[in-house]
Amino acid sequence: GQNIDQPTEMTATEGAIVQINCTYQTSGFNGLFWYQQHAGEAPTFLSYNVLDGLEEKGRFSSFLSRSKGYSYLLLKELQMKDSASYLCAVMDSNYQLIWGAGTKLIIKP
Amino acid sequence: DADVTQTPRNRITKTGKRIMLECSQTKGHDRMYWYRQDPGLGLRLIYYSFDVKDINKGEISDGYSVSRQAQAKFSLSLESAIPNQTALYFCATSDDSRDTGELFFGEGSRLTVL
Repeated sequence: GQNIDQPTEMTATEGAIVQINCTYQTSGFNGLFWYQQHAGEAPTFLSYNVLDGLEEKGRFSSFLSRSKGYSYLLLKELQMKDSASYLCAVMDSNYQLIWGAGTKLIIKP
Repeated sequence: DADVTQTPRNRITKTGKRIMLECSQTKGHDRMYWYRQDPGLGLRLIYYSFDVKDINKGEISDGYSVSRQAQAKFSLSLESAIPNQTALYFCATSDDSRDTGELFFGEGSRLTVL
């Protein structure tokens, strides 16, 4: 079966750096997405990786290793507004998105 | 105004009732989707449509039906609601001309079936 694993919850301190991991087992691979979802709101797109390596976008970076079935989202200079759930999703060989359950990130002052 | 609008935002209903959730978009996208989100689970695809004449079942289509009335409108119906359909429902769109396949979500419709 297809599976996306990510930690259920993480806690970090304002101003620090946090890395949220995602491992996947899917039927084929056509890209990996990270979305941010604040409580009670819609998910919003953060990043897309289809090739191995690091993609940097401001305070957020996303890394992909296709051979290891692994990605991480790196958040730097954490702000209180970064408190949210972070959803990892993989597009399989049929171009269907398989979603992880999300990682709830709690930022403490 | 939001680019992807869902109505109603919240609905409480009773078992056996027919419910329709509506979605409209101003993004001009051909592709539209309905997902449900439950605590502790990933988003699960109910139905998707790549254009007005193209409707496809997703992972969990049983108990649901859809209608694509126009490019901009995609409705989800629960013919006879049951308590385990209590969930947060999201409509989403995507632009098939973009390689990334980024989804744009509506604000969600929270449905409670008693």
